[in-house]
Amino acid sequence: AQSVTQLGSHVSVSEGALVLLRCNYSSSVPPYLFWYVQYPNQGLQLLLKYTTGATLVKGINGFEAEFKKSETSFHLTKPSAHMSDAAEYFCAVTQRVDMRFGAGTRLTVKP
Amino acid sequence: GAGVSQSPRYKVAKRGQDVALRCDPISGHVSLFWYQQALGQGPEFLTYFQNEAQLDKSGLPSDRFFAERPEGSVSTLKIQRTQQEDSAVYLCASSYGQASAYEQYFGPGTRLTVT
Repeated sequence: AQSVTQLGSHVSVSEGALVLLRCNYSSSVPPYLFWYVQYPNQGLQLLLKYTTGATLVKGINGFEAEFKKSETSFHLTKPSAHMSDAAEYFCAVTQRVDMRFGAGTRLTVKP
Repeated sequence: GAGVSQSPRYKVAKRGQDVALRCDPISGHVSLFWYQQALGQGPEFLTYFQNEAQLDKSGLPSDRFFAERPEGSVSTLKIQRTQQEDSAVYLCASSYGQASAYEQYFGPGTRLTVT
C-alpha cells in the first residue's frame, strides 16, 4: 500500500526566506511523486512531479523537490518565499491510478 | 473550455436527499478521476474512468455513491440518501493519458453541505 506523510500542518516563513515543506512516502514499488498547490476555493494545481530520471525536479514558481529513495522523501523547497506563495500544499504518490495525498501543509508568508 | 469545470459549485442538501454532481473534463482527456476532500484534509480517491469504462471504484465509501461517464466525456457523481458525513468538497480531475505519470488537471470542486 502507498501512503504519504507531510510533516507540519502549518509552516510560517518570512518573505524572502527559504521554504521547506516535508513529505515522506511509503510505497512497495518505485512511485510517481507529485506536489500540488491549492489556493482558497480553487482546485489543485500541479507544481512538479517525479516519475523517472533526474532526482532533482524543478517546477513552476521557483519550486523544486528532490526524490531521495534512501530516505523515502520528496521535500519541496523554494529559496526565497513570496507573499503569493501562501497557500495549501499537498504531496501525493501513485503507483497505478489511485493517487494518495498527504493531509496538506498550509504555508503562511509574513511580510 | 480551457480547464475542468464542475457544477454546481455549491450544494446544500437535506439529510436523505439525493444529489448529482457534474464534471466536464478537458476535451480529449481519456482519464477522469473523482476525489472527496473533507475539511482540513487532503483529497481521497473515489473512482477512476478510462473513457466510459469505470476501471476502479475502490474508493467509493458506500453503495450510496455512484459515478458514471456514459459517453466518455462528462461524468456525474451521484450520492443517494445523503448523510452528514458526506459533507465535503468533491473534486474532479482529468488527464490526457492512461498512465499514472500523466498530470491530472483538477476542477474547482463542488462543496456539498448536508444539513
